[in-house]
Amino acid sequence: EAGVAQSPRYKIIEKRQSVAFWCNPISGHATLYWYQQILGQGPKLLIQFQNNGVVDDSQLPKDRFSAERLKGVDSTLKIQPAKLEDSAVYLCASSPERGGPETQYFGPGTRLLVL
Amino acid sequence: AQKVTQAQTEISVVEKEDVTLDCVYETRDTTYYLFWYKQPPSGELVFLIRRNSFDEQNEISGRYSWNFQKSTSSFNFTITASQVVDSAVYFCALSEAFWDSGNTGKLIFGQGTTLQVKP
Repeated sequence: EAGVAQSPRYKIIEKRQSVAFWCNPISGHATLYWYQQILGQGPKLLIQFQNNGVVDDSQLPKDRFSAERLKGVDSTLKIQPAKLEDSAVYLCASSPERGGPETQYFGPGTRLLVL
Repeated sequence: AQKVTQAQTEISVVEKEDVTLDCVYETRDTTYYLFWYKQPPSGELVFLIRRNSFDEQNEISGRYSWNFQKSTSSFNFTITASQVVDSAVYFCALSEAFWDSGNTGKLIFGQGTTLQVKP
């Protein structure tokens, strides 16, 4: 079974530029998560989708971050404009049907460096 | 508020030594789940174990074992006879239970413990 796919793996941009990350979850997984992991810290949830609806985006900086999950499968996370403090690893995870705290399976992440 | 504390920032051991990674959590929920994930240098978080709050039995999987003690709010992870391949960052995480009560199941992670196993 294929795991969670993410691209690109690495991205370097200058501040105020925009960037987009893509995630394809494990086939059949209804729930998709985006986490931000700053160096030396644990991942922090940015947004959670159940199928194509948003379940939790309370920690998403909505003035610059946006995310969508069209058709309830793959997802895109965008930052516009980027700030220096956005330098981090962006992890995508997926889990099966809603019903409880299912185990989340993570992709390899996208490492973003904002100069 | 929910919180996970991994007080050990870095641990260094020599191969074949046993090592225990500590995890202490805080939650007001009576039902919750605890997880351990491994993050090797490649960056991907690898799931190791999930325990629910009603099951305090210790678990062993090969060289890995977990000690869950509700009385002390701890969920410690022991690697027996460590190997160089065990070198990674290890995260403990907590998740609310029961979506129907408004919880979302998101993971609250600790800061992580970097384990270095030297040959």
